[in-house]
Amino acid sequence: RKEVEQDPGPFNVPEGATVAFNCTYSNSASQSFFWYRQDCRKEPKLLMSVYSSGNEDGRFTAQLNRASQYISLLIRDSKLSDSATYLCVVNKAGRRALTFGSGTRLQVQP
Amino acid sequence: DTEVTQTPKHLVMGMTNKKSLKCEQHMGHRAMYWYKQKAKKPPELMFVYSYEKLSINESVPSRFSPECPNSSLLNLHLHALQPEDSALYLCASSQEFGVGGGPYEQYFGPGTRLTVT
Repeated sequence: RKEVEQDPGPFNVPEGATVAFNCTYSNSASQSFFWYRQDCRKEPKLLMSVYSSGNEDGRFTAQLNRASQYISLLIRDSKLSDSATYLCVVNKAGRRALTFGSGTRLQVQP
Repeated sequence: DTEVTQTPKHLVMGMTNKKSLKCEQHMGHRAMYWYKQKAKKPPELMFVYSYEKLSINESVPSRFSPECPNSSLLNLHLHALQPEDSALYLCASSQEFGVGGGPYEQYFGPGTRLTVT
């Protein structure tokens, strides 16, 4: 089983739609969780950290469910500029390193 | 300012060449990282430096040699690479881990796109 699993997509949605991505992680001792976005041939950019209580940043909402070991990202009112690959990232428990999921590709269409 | 810079942007080298990739950050971060990313794959960790000391080596072949001259700089020396080493090499930095162990957010540079011929 992969340490971090994501649906690769692609998710094709119209502008203005709401879209949700889920991610599951295998190590129950994992402590830190992040969502990054990566545009084609660019570096990953931090989108948001994910906190136990859930957190929101504008149109983006992240949730963490430790009992079920999954993380979600909700994007409301999708924009064309949201088209990218979204990477779920989890720390390796007990190690100073992060593990990246394979990414979920989002394509927002006009 | 969350900026990490990397040079060069692109590099083409032969299998017998020696070259170096450079990374610089001025955010006061004390942890720095090298990742390798192949097309359509997520980044794979190669090395972690913490307070200028090598903290993690993810069993990377010795033809890749990291160096951290000071807290702002990170180099990756390349020698006798293979064509399969062609990839995007990403540098990242973060605050050092606090008490309790959880890593902080990492900030990535734009990467060096390496082609080995």
